[in-house]
Amino acid sequence: GNSVTQMEGPVTLSEEAFLTINCTYTATGYPSLFWYVQYPGEGLQLLLKATKADDKGSNKGFEATYRKETTSFHLEKGSVQVSDSAVYFCALTVTGGFKTIFGAGTRLFVKA
Amino acid sequence: DSGVTQTPKHLITATGQRVTLRCSPRSGDLSVYWYQQSLDQGLQFLIQYYNGEERAKGNILERFSAQQFPDLHSELNLSSLELGDSALYFCASRAREGADNEQFFGPGTRLTVL
Repeated sequence: GNSVTQMEGPVTLSEEAFLTINCTYTATGYPSLFWYVQYPGEGLQLLLKATKADDKGSNKGFEATYRKETTSFHLEKGSVQVSDSAVYFCALTVTGGFKTIFGAGTRLFVKA
Repeated sequence: DSGVTQTPKHLITATGQRVTLRCSPRSGDLSVYWYQQSLDQGLQFLIQYYNGEERAKGNILERFSAQQFPDLHSELNLSSLELGDSALYFCASRAREGADNEQFFGPGTRLTVL
């Protein structure tokens, strides 16, 4: 079946530190991959996406590369800010599928 | 603002009661998804509708039901409520089917069952 596994949190970093949140997936077919972010008290919103192997999604300084050989889509940011504190969800949708499969979410705390 | 609206924002009720949560998708979006998010942050897919028809079902309890109306808004009905049903309930919509299309989430309804 299709599944998404992401690193457990919480992750606590100091401002300007480098961020990596690992995400690996299992999927039949050719999935599209997503990172969603949920700020406190809000719904999820799309952060970035990649729809085929070797694509790199990027937004707001965050990046993730679709690695088919390692079935991974790790989220990275070179210098985090306090405002990046949120819960991050990795997700996939398989071509022809109707559901999006979400990972368990990783909570990020950034200290000033 | 995602363009997806949900009402009410907060709902407090007692065990055994029944509530209805409402969602209006983004203008033109035919797909509506419902999710339950527990306090430990996990996001559980409940059910999806596409243009009025049920399209996919997830971990939805028999006490829960949903429908999508001709104007594309959707309602999630929760009955015989239990303490464990306390959670955030999100609705999301999507423009069209296709794996590369993201979902747009509403702000959620926080349900508290006392």
